[in-house]
Amino acid sequence: SYVLTQPPSLSLAPGQTARITCGGSNIVSKSVHWYQQMPGQAPAMVVYDDRDRPSGIPERFSGTNSGNTATLTISRVEAGDEADYYCQVWDSSSDRWVFGGGTKLTVL
Amino acid sequence: QVQLQESGPGVVKPSETLSLTCSVSGVSINRTRYYWGWIRQSPGKGLEWIGSIYYSGSTYYNPSLKSRVSISVDTSKNRVSLKLDSVTAADTAAYHCARHELRYFDQWGQGTLVTVSS
Repeated sequence: SYVLTQPPSLSLAPGQTARITCGGSNIVSKSVHWYQQMPGQAPAMVVYDDRDRPSGIPERFSGTNSGNTATLTISRVEAGDEADYYCQVWDSSSDRWVFGGGTKLTVL
Repeated sequence: QVQLQESGPGVVKPSETLSLTCSVSGVSINRTRYYWGWIRQSPGKGLEWIGSIYYSGSTYYNPSLKSRVSISVDTSKNRVSLKLDSVTAADTAAYHCARHELRYFDQWGQGTLVTVSS
């Protein structure tokens, strides 16, 4: 089964750049999607298809996908960005939707 | 505006069946190209895809839960249902329903917490 690996946590000061990685075998061959989950709330998509942003998501959120690693980049982090972030792919070989373990972003 | 709302008992006894309903408004669940899925999140843990159903009725389940899970739709009431048999404490989680296209989940319900306890 396909596995996505994320770092459990990341801590940054306001104004810094957060880079949250999502590792998977030859992940470049898949479309990667990213979700932000605030405490007590449902997840909400911030990037889809590797690098596209849904309407209303600031340009500070961007995504890349290369080799075995996809990355969600949040520029100039703010206190309001503090949340859990999950990557997700569709594994076509098994018709399964797979989530990474999530990364907790703390803004110091 | 698409809205999804989960409902069901907040407490289920061990070995019994967990049954949840997702009421959908703002779009017909019969609409082509959309899947309707269930995702759960154990306390303090990450997201786990449980299974999905396509508008045509085709179902897809997480292999780790496949023997215990059933997802169905009631088109007359625009609802999606989840049944999970033989629950244990490990099934305690917030259960979310979500709409998705083939690749990604674009609409989520707020989720409902289900505790497995005698």
